[in-house]
Amino acid sequence: DIVMTQSPDSLAVSLGERATINCKSSQSVLYSSNNKNYLGWYQQKPGQPPKLLIYWASSRQSGVPDRFSGSGSGADFTLTISSLQAEDVAIYYCQQYYSSPFTFGPGTKVDLK
Amino acid sequence: EVQLLESGGGLVQPGGSLRLSCGASGFTFSNYALSWVRQAPGKGLEWVSVIRNSGSEIFYAESVKGRFTISRDNSKNTLYLQMNSLRAEDTAVYFCAKGLSASCYDALDVWGQGTTVSVSS
Repeated sequence: DIVMTQSPDSLAVSLGERATINCKSSQSVLYSSNNKNYLGWYQQKPGQPPKLLIYWASSRQSGVPDRFSGSGSGADFTLTISSLQAEDVAIYYCQQYYSSPFTFGPGTKVDLK
Repeated sequence: EVQLLESGGGLVQPGGSLRLSCGASGFTFSNYALSWVRQAPGKGLEWVSVIRNSGSEIFYAESVKGRFTISRDNSKNTLYLQMNSLRAEDTAVYFCAKGLSASCYDALDVWGQGTTVSVSS
C-alpha cells in the first residue's frame, strides 16, 4: 500500500500570508505512460464533506480560487495558499489515486494566527 | 445541480449488518465511478471502496474486504454499500463521492453530506 504523509500537522498563518502544506507518498504516483501524477488535494471544514481543490497534482478544480495551487511530481507534492483568507481555515488532505487502496494523508490543519 | 444523498446509517450491534444507499442527481450516473469514504469521529478520511461506472472494476480497503460489498444500479442512479460483520471500528460518517471520470483511478469531485454508522452494544 502507498502510505501518504503530510507536514506540518498544523500551521497558523496570518491573513494575507502564504500557507504551504507538504505531502509525500511512499512510492511515486507518477504514471509514466501519460506523465500524470495521481494526486489530489481536498479541503474539509467542520461539519462539511471534503471539497476537491486540486487534481492531477496541479490542476485546479472548477470554481476553486486561484490562490490555491498544487505542485510537485513523483512522490513529493505541495499545496500552496498564496494569500490566506478567513474562509480557508480548514483541514487539508492529500490523496493518491495511483493504486488501490487509494489512501489519504493524515491531514494538515490550517488556522489563523 | 449535481447532488449525492446518502441514507441507511444508524445504530447497529457488533456483528450486525447495514446497507447504505447513495442517490444521485444532476449528472449522467452511468458515466462515472463512485466511491465510499469514511471518517471516524475526530479522525481523518479513510478510503473504503470504489466501483467503476459499469461495475466491472471494484476495489476495497483491506480493513473492509470480505465484509463490505459495493454495488450500483445505474437504472436507479443509486450506489450501495452492504456492510456485514460490523465492528466498533467501523463507526464513522460514511460519504459517497463521485469520481471525475468512469475510471476508478481518479479524484473525487462531488461528495454527499454523509450518513452516520454507529456500531455499539
